[in-house]
Formats: sequence, C-alpha cells, structure tokens
Amino acid sequence: DGGITQSPKYLFRKEGQNVTLSCEQNLNHDAMYWYRQDPGQGLRLIYYSQIVNDFQKGDIAEGYSVSREKKESFPLTVTSAQKNPTAFYLCASSMSTGGHYEQYFGPGTRLTVT
Amino acid sequence: QQQVKQSPQSLIVQKGGISIINCAYENTAFDYFPWYQQFPGKGPALLIAIRPDVSEKKEGRFTISFNKSAKQFSLHIMDSQPGDSATYFCAASMANFGNEKLTFGTGTRLTIIP
Repeated sequence: DGGITQSPKYLFRKEGQNVTLSCEQNLNHDAMYWYRQDPGQGLRLIYYSQIVNDFQKGDIAEGYSVSREKKESFPLTVTSAQKNPTAFYLCASSMSTGGHYEQYFGPGTRLTVT
Repeated sequence: QQQVKQSPQSLIVQKGGISIINCAYENTAFDYFPWYQQFPGKGPALLIAIRPDVSEKKEGRFTISFNKSAKQFSLHIMDSQPGDSATYFCAASMANFGNEKLTFGTGTRLTIIP
C-alpha cells in the first residue's frame, strides 16, 4: 500500500518541551510538505522540501524546524519557541513542487501542549 | 492579494439536495483551483480541480463552476449523500508556481441530513 504515514496520531507535551512529529512516505515523491490546521482557518504551510537535504520555509516557519536526510522521511520538530503549538499537523507529498502535481496528505497528528 | 475567501463556514443540506460552496479570490495570477475533501481525523484529499481556461468541470456528482471576470469559483455537489458529509477546502495557486504557493480557503463543514 502506497501512502503517507504520520505518527503518533495524538501527542501531548508540556510547555517548554521540543517535540518531533514523524512523516514517512513510500510514494517515491520528491517533494514533501508540513501544514498546520487550526479551527476556522485554512491549511498553512510551515516548511517544504523539494529534494533530499534541501528545505524551504513556508508562511509560518517560526518556532519549527525540519530535516530531510532521506527521500521518504520529513520529520517536523515543534520547538519551545513556537508560541501556540497546539494544532493539527498535516504532512503531504507530491511528485514535485512545480506543475500543480497532486498533493497526497497523511492522516495528521494532533498535538496538544499544556 | 493572496487570500482565498470561502463561504459558508458551515452548511446543512438534505439528502438528495444540491450543496453549493463558494470561493472568491483577488489575485488574478492564480491559475489553478483545486478543491479538497477532508473527513474528521483524516488528511484532505484532492476532489476536483479546474484551470481558468474552462468555465465548468464535472466529475460525477461534483462540479466546479468558474467565473473568471468575477474572480469566483464554486463547488456544486448534486444529489448530496450522507457520505459527502465532510469539510471542503478550496485553494488556489499561481502560474509558474506549484504546491508551495497553494493558498487555502478557511473550509466549509458540510452536513447532509437524511
């Protein structure tokens, strides 16, 4: 089965702690993305990566960090610098960033920070 | 300039009826308009997409109507079914860019009642 897996589904952390969200894809896609979804707001792009060992900031990158050491993996770290980390986080992938290729989304991770 | 305004925020339609969700944009450089469907606890999935060189695109019960002069596009779901109950997002992207510049609307929660 091809697809995107995100783990865990639910994550709870104390304020001040860094937390890493996992995203793995077996679609052989070059491009991967991280979005944040809040109630009443559309999806907002945090970071994206067009190729291994390269990534770019999206619209709301402050307080987040990523790495892309393998084509299939794009973990997101929510740092203690992120002021409002509680949200639903979605990972996606596509063949490429250009050309309006279809994005495939993972099932998401709901992060709650107290 | 980058916003995509979506309405209504929520919509209740009887089974068999027509569901209509509207989106409006300002940036005339947008040239790709996808709609995503998201079920609770899941990631969004591409439903249907249109480019501004056509005024309508139909796929089964789902139709996108596009009005370039008014800078508006809408999703029509004919013969709405309870299984269509989900959140729908419109989005837009610009020429010469791809998913990294995809701007999402705020979403419409659709409920189909028997």
